[in-house]
Amino acid sequence: AQSVTQPDIHITVSEGASLELRCNYSYGATPYLFWYVQSPGQGLQLLLKYFSGDTLVQGIKGFEAEFKRSQSSFNLRKPSVHWSDAAEYFCAVGPYSGGGADGLTFGKGTHLIIQP
Amino acid sequence: DSGVTQTPKHLITATGQRVTLRCSPRSGDLSVYWYQQSLDQGLQFLIQYYNGEERAKGNILERFSAQQFPDLHSELNLSSLELGDSALYFCASSVELLNGELFFGEGSRLTVL
Repeated sequence: AQSVTQPDIHITVSEGASLELRCNYSYGATPYLFWYVQSPGQGLQLLLKYFSGDTLVQGIKGFEAEFKRSQSSFNLRKPSVHWSDAAEYFCAVGPYSGGGADGLTFGKGTHLIIQP
Repeated sequence: DSGVTQTPKHLITATGQRVTLRCSPRSGDLSVYWYQQSLDQGLQFLIQYYNGEERAKGNILERFSAQQFPDLHSELNLSSLELGDSALYFCASSVELLNGELFFGEGSRLTVL
């Protein structure tokens, strides 16, 4: 069965500092990989996605992520965080392999706190 | 704004009751997914519909059911509610099968007292 692990439940970063959020996945084939962000009281918004090709993908809001097959990882990075980046971040893998569906399996999320 | 609309945004009900959550997908999206988000379980995939037909089931309880109508909106029915059903229920839609890129609504927060 596929799974996603986000090892850090909470991360605190100073405004202007760099950020890396970790994501490890388990999947039986070539995965589709995603990062979503959830602001308080909001739904999830797609930050970026990897389907194939270049392993470094660029997303919205200045985020990027790198797919490393050998490490089964898809870490999210940002060179300089802003206070508005404080949110919950979810890594996801798909298509969902149960019953042939094409939904996503999500990690439990990383709560990002920005210190002034 | 993702284009996915969910109603109601908040719902408070009692144990044993039944509720219906409604979702309108983005214009043109044929797939609808339902997810449950709780503090202990995280985001759990419940069920998916594609163009009116059930495509796959995830961790959906037998007390829960869903359907997608000809106009592509979907409803999630939760019955015999228990305290543990209190959660945020998200609907998401996507444009095609095997795309994997989901667009989420803002969710329906269900509180069971």
